Amino acid sequence: DAKTTQPPSMDCAEGRAANLPCNHSTISGNEYVYWYRQIHSQGPQYIIHGLKNNETNEMASLIITEDRKSSTLILPHATLRDTAVYYCILWGTGNQFYFGTGTSLTVIP
Amino acid sequence: NAGVTQTPKFRILKIGQSMTLQCTQDMNHNYMYWYRQDPGMGLKLIYYSVGAGITDKGEVPNGYNVSRSTTEDFPLRLELAAPSQTSVYFCASSLGWGNQPQHFGDGTRLSIL
Repeated sequence: DAKTTQPPSMDCAEGRAANLPCNHSTISGNEYVYWYRQIHSQGPQYIIHGLKNNETNEMASLIITEDRKSSTLILPHATLRDTAVYYCILWGTGNQFYFGTGTSLTVIP
Repeated sequence: NAGVTQTPKFRILKIGQSMTLQCTQDMNHNYMYWYRQDPGMGLKLIYYSVGAGITDKGEVPNGYNVSRSTTEDFPLRLELAAPSQTSVYFCASSLGWGNQPQHFGDGTRLSIL
């Protein structure tokens, strides 16, 4: 079971912020929220992860709701190179890393 | 720093042949993983290892074998190749389980005809 729900596809205008949602209403207390992306058939690329607090790095920001039942990945200024499939994954001590089908993000010029 | 290296990048096998997909990492990670990805689908875990000498099954282990004799290497063996094993195979490694990200190789594209 994926344990996460993501929209199958989204579009974003180049230069605008891309906000990718993820629902994980059954998240366990020890599970981290991870985001990866996959461009074409390349290996998945790690973007960011968090447990409770919001996180930011050079690629993106991760916003986790206070009840931890949903999260949003924010790409602040989307470029054409950000076109990819984005996966939201829960991973903790008691489960395996499980990829669902992700969100296919298309950045439009 | 090479990260996770997979060889070969491409391979065509005949039904019934066997082969080993190689995976090595230079990050001194204890945890290593093998996934397969069928067209249009997410990755599925085949096998994983929590350290040298310790391996365990993932979601789709049938038709595959693994071994882990060193920290660096985690080869995946296909004994009797079947068309259903046509897929892209990814190897990954991580420093920890759950609280540290997995780092992926570039994949091996395998076709079985």
